Amino acid sequence: EAQVTQNPRYLITVTGKKLTVTCSQNMNHEYMSWYRQDPGLGLRQIYYSMNVEVTDKGDVPEGYKVSRKEKRNFPLILESPSPNQTSLYFCASRNRGARSSSGSGELFFGEGSRLTVL
Amino acid sequence: AQKVTQAQTEISVVEKEDVTLDCVYETRDTTYYLFWYKQPPSGELVFLIRRNSFDEQNEISGRYSWNFQKSTSSFNFTITASQVVDSAVYFCALSRLNDYKLSFGAGTTVTVRA
Repeated sequence: EAQVTQNPRYLITVTGKKLTVTCSQNMNHEYMSWYRQDPGLGLRQIYYSMNVEVTDKGDVPEGYKVSRKEKRNFPLILESPSPNQTSLYFCASRNRGARSSSGSGELFFGEGSRLTVL
Repeated sequence: AQKVTQAQTEISVVEKEDVTLDCVYETRDTTYYLFWYKQPPSGELVFLIRRNSFDEQNEISGRYSWNFQKSTSSFNFTITASQVVDSAVYFCALSRLNDYKLSFGAGTTVTVRA
């Protein structure tokens, strides 16, 4: 089954304790990205990657890091989490080019990771 | 810059009523994509539709229909004969033609009461 898998799905942590949210896709997609969802703001892009070893900042990259060492994985790293990073995080992927494998040009989203930083 | 506005924060209807969700966007591009996603209470994002800016035909899929009007920069979504299972947050989004980033609106929470 084609999917984007995120872990953990839920996490409560404390300020300053480094954490990593993993993201893995099994569709051989070149493009992957991270979004955060906050009430009243919708989803905003944090980082994206066009392919292995190619990453770039999105609209709200402060406080986050990413890496893309393998095509299938795109972890999101919070080196020193703060309470303003409490949010719902989504990983997404798609093929590059005009159309995705589904033909609809859609992003495939993971199920989300709800992070609370105390 | 891309901007998407969903002016309706919350809509509450009784089952079988129709509900229309407004989406207005801003872009300097002449070609772009518009999307709608559904987020049910379980939290995942469900893709509903992608529309190219050069295709202004309205689309219907079952009880869902979309009205794209380039002249007013709007891409409205109507649920006909709403059902309780339609209760969700609905997001409108915009992307540039050669950019995979989605610019999302704030979302509209739809509650359908039995």
